[in-house]
Amino acid sequence: ETGVTQTPRHLVMGMTNKKSLKCEQHLGHNAMYWYKQSAKKPLELMFVYSLEERVENNSVPSRFSPECPNSSHLFLHLHTLQPEDSALYLCASSQDRVGSGADEQFFGPGTRLTVL
Amino acid sequence: GQNIDQPTEMTATEGAIVQINCTYQTSGFNGLFWYQQHAGEAPTFLSYNVLDGLEEKGRFSSFLSRSKGYSYLLLKELQMKDSASYLCAVADSNYQLIWGAGTKLIIKP
Repeated sequence: ETGVTQTPRHLVMGMTNKKSLKCEQHLGHNAMYWYKQSAKKPLELMFVYSLEERVENNSVPSRFSPECPNSSHLFLHLHTLQPEDSALYLCASSQDRVGSGADEQFFGPGTRLTVL
Repeated sequence: GQNIDQPTEMTATEGAIVQINCTYQTSGFNGLFWYQQHAGEAPTFLSYNVLDGLEEKGRFSSFLSRSKGYSYLLLKELQMKDSASYLCAVADSNYQLIWGAGTKLIIKP
């Protein structure tokens, strides 16, 4: 247990569906991240939130929409996804505000997403 | 562009020693991380190097040479449970992590 939880662990959705991924951290951290992990590829940073404000959006398609209602919760809203979006989606958190130090990131177990 | 290179896969024998290399080219450097990721699980932190030299932590050690843009993770007395992917990541000038694709380590009895 890393102190970061994600639900659901597995999700299968059609291209016309709308779904949301949820992440919660119990560590009192100030920064939270969404990553996409595809087989044999580096982790791709999608979104970064620092003190509930989005500080990074690495040119992610608009069919992915993040939400950070408070410092402990992070959502990723999904709509009209494509089959190539199938991947493991990892949430992570770190202690300090992004850019203030090279902090260890704590990862959740991920959501395995399959888009049909 | 920014780039992290590490071997795709390595195989080693239980009880032996293995060295996993990582080379990097990034815009700025604020430290290098190694993470371990078992299949189907979250990556977990192993080590952080920001100064040149060797950091030892039990059976695992991590080395950094900033002038060469090079690091390695050394695993001693390998156990079957060490079978996992090992991810190298560098914090760039903005403290954003740039990740390698990971090295899958297979341990054989």
